Parts: sequence; structure tokens; C-alpha cells
Amino acid sequence: SQKIEQNSEALNIQEGKTATLTCNYTNYSPAYLQWYRQDPGRGPVFLLLIRENEKEKRKERLKVTFDTTLKQSLFHITASQPADSATYLCALDLGSARQLTFGSGTQLTVLP
Amino acid sequence: DTEVTQTPKHLVMGMTNKKSLKCEQHMGHRAMYWYKQKAKKPPELMFVYSYEKLSINESVPSRFSPECPNSSLLNLHLHALQPEDSALYLCASSQRTSGSGTGELFFGEGSRLTVL
Repeated sequence: SQKIEQNSEALNIQEGKTATLTCNYTNYSPAYLQWYRQDPGRGPVFLLLIRENEKEKRKERLKVTFDTTLKQSLFHITASQPADSATYLCALDLGSARQLTFGSGTQLTVLP
Repeated sequence: DTEVTQTPKHLVMGMTNKKSLKCEQHMGHRAMYWYKQKAKKPPELMFVYSYEKLSINESVPSRFSPECPNSSLLNLHLHALQPEDSALYLCASSQRTSGSGTGELFFGEGSRLTVL
């Protein structure tokens, strides 16, 4: 069956460290993979999109990698800050269906 | 601030009521979506409209009835709901409608629905 798994429900790290979140999938062949941030009681906010033929994408303190052989994406936040505390969702886009399927999310807490 | 506006922000309704959730975007996006999100769960796709036509219905019960009156508006009509339908209902829009991928989704802040 198809699955999208994000490494852990919750991740706590110290301010200034790099947070690394994992998104693994099985029985999908996504053309694109996206990452979103969601704060409590609010809608998700788009962060980054990476294509299947791209290995890495960066935006300010954010970096995403996409390994279609391992069927895994890693999401890094460098120099993390308490304001980065939120739930981070990965989403698979198969390219043809015009829909995203979301992973379960990882709740990140950056401790001051 | 989000460019997708959802109303109402909160809605409490009884199981016999009829109500509607509304969504509006003025970004010129031609794909619009309804997602349902329960606490500590990811958003689950309900419906997709592409060029004002329903293109995806993810086996949603008929007590939820979507409507897209024009390219800027999306409604979700609710009737005879159950308490388990209580959730955050999210509207989203995206620019791409071809087979090249969904593209970035712009979400509204959601409508928190409680069914008594």
C-alpha cells in the first residue's frame, strides 16, 4: 500500500542547531515533492518544492534534498530559532493528478 | 496574510442544520481545493475544481456538497452532518491546472467546524 512517513511526530532541538526532518514514501513515484509549515489552528504555508530530477534546493536557512532511489526527502533548517517551531508537512505531487498527498507531519520545537 | 479568504472562521451546527463554508481567492488561480484536517493529522483531500469544474471527488459522503460559482469562489454546503465531521476545513488554490503538477498550494486559514 502507499505510505508517506515523516520520521517522528515530535522533534526537539536547541536553538542555533540544524534541524533535520525526514520524509519517506513507499509505492509512489512523485514528480515533485513539497514542504509546508503549519502553525496551530492555521492553514499550511508553502516553503519549498523540489522536482524529481533535482537533488537539492535551498532557500535562505532551508535546504531540501530528494533521493528518488531511497524514496526519501530530507528537510534542513540551519541556525534554528524558536520562531521555527511549528509542524512541518511533506507532500507528494504525482504530477498528473493535480493533487497533493500529505505526510503526517513532524512537530518541531526549537528550545531557547 | 493569506490571499485565500475563508468564512466563517468558526461554525457550530446541529446534525439537522444546513450551512455553507465559503472560500475566495483573487490570484487568478484556476484550481481550487477543499481539504479536511482532524487534530494532529495531515490535511486530507476532499474535492478539486479545475476551471470551475469538479475534477476530483475523493469519495466524500453526499452530506458534503461542493460548488464553484465562478473562478474566484468555492463553497462547501453542509447538510445532516455527524459529530465525527467536526474538523478544520481548509480551502486552497493553485496556479497550475495542466498535467505538469499541482504547484504551490495557497491555503486559507480554515473554518473550524463543530457538529453537535
